[in-house]
Amino acid sequence: DAGVIQSPRHEVTEMGQEVTLRCKPISGHDYLFWYRQTMMRGLELLIYFNNNVPIDDSGMPEDRFSAKMPNASFSTLKIQPSEPRDSAVYFCASSQTSGRVSEQFFGPGTRLTVL
Amino acid sequence: GENVEQHPSTLSVQEGDSAVIKCTYSDSASNYFPWYKQELGKRPQLIIDIRSNVGEKKDQRIAVTLNKTAKHFSLHITETQPEDSAVYFCAASGYSTLTFGKGTMLLVSP
Repeated sequence: DAGVIQSPRHEVTEMGQEVTLRCKPISGHDYLFWYRQTMMRGLELLIYFNNNVPIDDSGMPEDRFSAKMPNASFSTLKIQPSEPRDSAVYFCASSQTSGRVSEQFFGPGTRLTVL
Repeated sequence: GENVEQHPSTLSVQEGDSAVIKCTYSDSASNYFPWYKQELGKRPQLIIDIRSNVGEKKDQRIAVTLNKTAKHFSLHITETQPEDSAVYFCAASGYSTLTFGKGTMLLVSP
């Protein structure tokens, strides 16, 4: 397996524009997580899905953020409209719990810069 | 919810020395404690984990200890090498999500 795949790897956009980040989890994994990483706040969990269903989105900072998982092999995180404070590295991770929590495998991340 | 505190935030050692990073957690229901290593510009990757039914686990030069009573766990790296330089994150989990510490930047000087 190629591991968790994310695109794009880098995104530079202007304030007010819509940004869409994409993630393909490892095949067979039933959990998918979206994280945001900044120097100030570290690794923050934004939202996670179990079997394509959003379970907890309490980490999503504002209504400008939304996430979907239309099928087991694809998820998106959308920011609309984007703001400079959204600049961060966004990681997608997946895991296979088999009844108990286990290792999360991270994708390479998307470095987002909002000007 | 869970809260994980990690210390120190930076740690500088000489090659060959040992390094210890400590974490505390708040939720007594947490039962899974992984450690991730993140090199500059890379993704976090699991280096070792421990579950609550075990007090210590070792893998070559790295080891993790867990004290459930005190709710703290530690990462020990022996005979450090320059390639150990990275940011290390501890995490705690009760069921499906991980709560991460703020990270420790380990610098190993040759």
